[in-house]
Amino acid sequence: DGGITQSPKYLFRKEGQNVTLSCEQNLNHDAMYWYRQDPGQGLRLIYYSQIVNDFQKGDIAEGYSVSREKKESFPLTVTSAQKNPTAFYLCASSIGTSYMNTEAFFGQGTRLTVV
Amino acid sequence: DQQVKQNSPSLSVQEGRISILNCDYTNSMFDYFLWYKKYPAEGPTFLISISSIKDKNEDGRFTVFLNKSAKHLSLHIVPSQPGDSAVYFCAASGKYNNNDMRFGAGTRLTVKP
Repeated sequence: DGGITQSPKYLFRKEGQNVTLSCEQNLNHDAMYWYRQDPGQGLRLIYYSQIVNDFQKGDIAEGYSVSREKKESFPLTVTSAQKNPTAFYLCASSIGTSYMNTEAFFGQGTRLTVV
Repeated sequence: DQQVKQNSPSLSVQEGRISILNCDYTNSMFDYFLWYKKYPAEGPTFLISISSIKDKNEDGRFTVFLNKSAKHLSLHIVPSQPGDSAVYFCAASGKYNNNDMRFGAGTRLTVKP
């Protein structure tokens, strides 16, 4: 089955620690994204990548870092510099920006809680 | 700067009736509009979309209407079913570039049996 897998589903982090959220896709999509969802708010774009070894900041990139060493993988690191990291994190992918009017496919999400 | 707005955080309808979810956007460069459905603790799933060259797109019980002059779109669900109960997100993007896909805050739809 093709899809996007995020792990873990739930993650607890102590203040001051970095933590990495995994995102893997087997859809052969070029583009991948990370969004954050907070209660009562829409999905806000953290980082996106259109191709391997390239990524760009979204609207709320501060305190986060990413890498795109493989087409299938786009891990997100939440660093200690992120002031309010408790949130629901969603990874998505799409076929790529060479195609018109394409939708994004989402993983199941990771709920990160800072304790 | 919220470029996509869903002003109704919740909507409750009776089973069998019509559900109408509304969405407004401010960026005239948006060219493609989507609706996603989301259950708790899960990722959103794509429901239906419409490009700016159309004013209506229909898929079974779901119809999306686009009014470009008003920068407004709506999702109609007829007839509504209890399984439709979820949070619905409106999204908008440019023609080629999903990178600027922006989401509204979502509307929680409850369909009562």
